[in-house]
Amino acid sequence: GENVEQHPSTLSVQEGDSAVIKCTYSDSASNYFPWYKQELGKRPQLIIDIRSNVGEKKDQRIAVTLNKTAKHFSLHITETQPEDSAVYFCAASRGSSASKIIFGSGTRLSIRP
Amino acid sequence: SQTIHQWPATLVQPVGSPLSLECTVEGTSNPNLYWYRQAAGRGLQLLFYSVGIGQISSEVPQNLSASRPQDRQFILSSKKLLLSDSGFYLCAWSVRVDEQFFGPGTRLTVL
Repeated sequence: GENVEQHPSTLSVQEGDSAVIKCTYSDSASNYFPWYKQELGKRPQLIIDIRSNVGEKKDQRIAVTLNKTAKHFSLHITETQPEDSAVYFCAASRGSSASKIIFGSGTRLSIRP
Repeated sequence: SQTIHQWPATLVQPVGSPLSLECTVEGTSNPNLYWYRQAAGRGLQLLFYSVGIGQISSEVPQNLSASRPQDRQFILSSKKLLLSDSGFYLCAWSVRVDEQFFGPGTRLTVL
């Protein structure tokens, strides 16, 4: 069945440095790739997404890249700040109205002051 | 605007007791509805999803069940809770599949 693998499971970076989280997916029909951020004890919230017709998307300090040939996509956070500390989930979907979103296992990002 | 509600927010139940968690969505029609479970420090496990009233798809064999009696109501149930049912239960909705919105969650502890 469909599968999304996410690495690393934990990541610690110095404040101000960049953080990169990588995901691979198995379903070649996937065409929608969202990223969610979950702060401690709270619900996951969408922070950025990308569709298969785009190779890169940027929103301020956050960017996502997609390589459909290799079936992998990545989240890049630049100039990290303490409030970036959270668990990040990647996901993949076929993008139809009855499709499921398959989530990765999550990355716990810690920002060291 | 659309909102999603879940209750209760927290729940402590003994092993073997029944369970009923409720999720309701406001401000949208015919949403896709989802139940996820998140064990402590773990990822999101999709339990059930529904594309319409009375239509439930189960993802993982378990002692839980789901029902959708109304368009914007999704209920997660169990007849007899197990210790392994403890976790953070999240309901989510989507109209277009390209964005899924999560509810505030129910933290369930089974003792």
